[in-house]
Amino acid sequence: GAGVSQSPSNKVTEKGKDVELRCDPISGHTALYWYRQSLGQGLEFLIYFQGNSAPDKSGLPSDRFSAERTGGSVSTLTIQRTQQEDSAVYLCASRLPGTSELEQYFGPGTRLTVT
Amino acid sequence: KQEVTQIPAALSVPEGENLVLNCSFTDSAIYNLQWFRQDPGKGLTSLLLIQSSQREQTSGRLNASLDKSSGRSTLYIAASQPGDSATYLCAVRGGNYGQNFVFGPGTRLSVLP
Repeated sequence: GAGVSQSPSNKVTEKGKDVELRCDPISGHTALYWYRQSLGQGLEFLIYFQGNSAPDKSGLPSDRFSAERTGGSVSTLTIQRTQQEDSAVYLCASRLPGTSELEQYFGPGTRLTVT
Repeated sequence: KQEVTQIPAALSVPEGENLVLNCSFTDSAIYNLQWFRQDPGKGLTSLLLIQSSQREQTSGRLNASLDKSSGRSTLYIAASQPGDSATYLCAVRGGNYGQNFVFGPGTRLSVLP
């Protein structure tokens, strides 16, 4: 079957605008992660969803960042009032319930550039 | 606050050599440690995961060790091949059973044919 997909693959936005990044996990994968990878900070965990449980938001860098997961499948990461330091590649990963983090499958990422 | 470092930042070796990548973390209260591989322009691939109670894990030519008390892990790659060229990242998960991973900056490996 298809792997994790993310859209758009590239996004250029002006400082101050809001952006939405989308992640389509592998069917049946109830666990979903968002990460970001930037030159200055390396790879950072952002947020984790598991089924109907409350998400682990401990990695979100500010209240401008939020994420939701509708119907236990597609997830959207929203960044409000984007800043230049938000420029990064945003990665999504998913895995089956009951599997370890070793079984994460990563999407190709969305490259966000804030000008 | 957990900090993860990796040495060296970059490594270039001829094909066939055995090599070791190093990962250090400041807080030994971890739940597990994971090694990933990242190819240019692509996402990450999980390689090995070591639980805090384990000392090592092996997968094919890869062997990862964990010394939690000293805050160190190594990834040993035997008989390196050009296809092993990638950036290798280690990540630790905190001992609070959350899903917050802290990643190292990575080691960029080039295996020359």
